Amino acid sequence: SVLLYQKPNRDICQSGTSLKIQCVADSQVVSMFWYQQFQEQSLMLMATANEGSEATYESGFTKDKFPISRPNLTFSTLTVNNARPGDSSIYFCSSRRGGQDTQYFGPGTRLLVL
Amino acid sequence: QQQVRQSSQSLTVWEGETAILNCSYENSAFDYFPWYQQFPGEGPALLIAIRSVSDKKEDGRFTIFFNKREKNLSLHIKDSQPGDSATYFCAASARAGGYKVVFGSGTRLLVSP
Repeated sequence: SVLLYQKPNRDICQSGTSLKIQCVADSQVVSMFWYQQFQEQSLMLMATANEGSEATYESGFTKDKFPISRPNLTFSTLTVNNARPGDSSIYFCSSRRGGQDTQYFGPGTRLLVL
Repeated sequence: QQQVRQSSQSLTVWEGETAILNCSYENSAFDYFPWYQQFPGEGPALLIAIRSVSDKKEDGRFTIFFNKREKNLSLHIKDSQPGDSATYFCAASARAGGYKVVFGSGTRLLVSP
């Protein structure tokens, strides 16, 4: 399996500000994914960040609003730009090793936008 | 259109009973079906998974039954324990789709002692 760490665990920010969420894997992984989960709901895939390529975004999520960086094989960051109360949710990163289907998830970052 | 559907939002069973969680899917290209267990305040944890070439996968008290023709699967939790109380997500992915995982809406299981 892959262990993922996220920082911060939780954050509170004011509307209009930006914040960055970091995800670190304990070993090199091919793909990293970012998910959004609203309270008591399912997980929605936001974007995929593969090794050596730009992140690809799912419908409803844009690079301008949620830029993702993948500077190396163990690290990724998600930025929430111009945060709004509707962005208040839990953000999870997950990862997948090459040749494997299984995705492993981080503990999540709980964001509250006031 | 929901690609992965879990028919029950919640399920309550007594300790010792078998809990059965059902799931169906739309996309025939899905070839990998993990079930994730999520406790409040935690990230989803992989519980058990099955590939579409199999019709059954067992791991301890947890068994997946898979029906490719009907596009449905179920998770059976034998001898349910109060510690199994959590939300269970059925999920699906396709290698042809870049391994992107699509989650069902989740079933909240409560095991009463």
